Amino acid sequence: AQTVTQSQPEMSVQEAETVTLSCTYDTSENNYYLFWYKQPPSRQMILVIRQEAYKQQNATENRFSVNFQKAAKSFSLKISDSQLGDTAMYFCAFTPMNRDDKIIFGKGTRLHILP
Amino acid sequence: KAGVTQTPRYLIKTRGQQVTLSCSPISGHRSVSWYQQTPGQGLQFLFEYFSETQRNKGNFPGRFSGRQFSNSRSEMNVSTLELGDSALYLCASTPQGPDTQYFGPGTRLTVL
Repeated sequence: AQTVTQSQPEMSVQEAETVTLSCTYDTSENNYYLFWYKQPPSRQMILVIRQEAYKQQNATENRFSVNFQKAAKSFSLKISDSQLGDTAMYFCAFTPMNRDDKIIFGKGTRLHILP
Repeated sequence: KAGVTQTPRYLIKTRGQQVTLSCSPISGHRSVSWYQQTPGQGLQFLFEYFSETQRNKGNFPGRFSGRQFSNSRSEMNVSTLELGDSALYLCASTPQGPDTQYFGPGTRLTVL
């Protein structure tokens, strides 16, 4: 069975610091997508970053970047220069690329950015 | 393009009643997935519809059902509501195959 594990239920960092959220997954698939979603207190879930497993280059979106280690099945999210608006629940997610299968979400990491 | 919309945004029901929630996907998106989110259980997959057919299903009792219309709009129904059904219900759409899911704002259901 495919699983996604986020080992940090909750984290707090000071504004402007860099923070890394961990995610590991288990799959026998070779081609898949990995995602980080953010759910702020407003509850609207939004995509932060997306990675295709066949791409070796780590995805980057402004202050957000990932460290994708395919062999280790690890997909961590780094937030640089953290801002108060980054306070949210962050979910790591996985879905196979070539099958019509459901997306699997981790249990989430609650991130607090402190002023 | 307009985003995913869900109606109603808030709902209060009593035990034993039934409820229907609606989701309109982004124009052109044919896949709609539903999730239940609670503080204790996190985000749990309910089901996915694609071209009016249920393509994937989570581990929920038969009281939870859904359907999709020819315009891709989807509804989910919960019959015989229980207190434990109180949750945020999220729907998400994708163009067709597995890829980025675009979420709606959710429907907050409270069962008294």
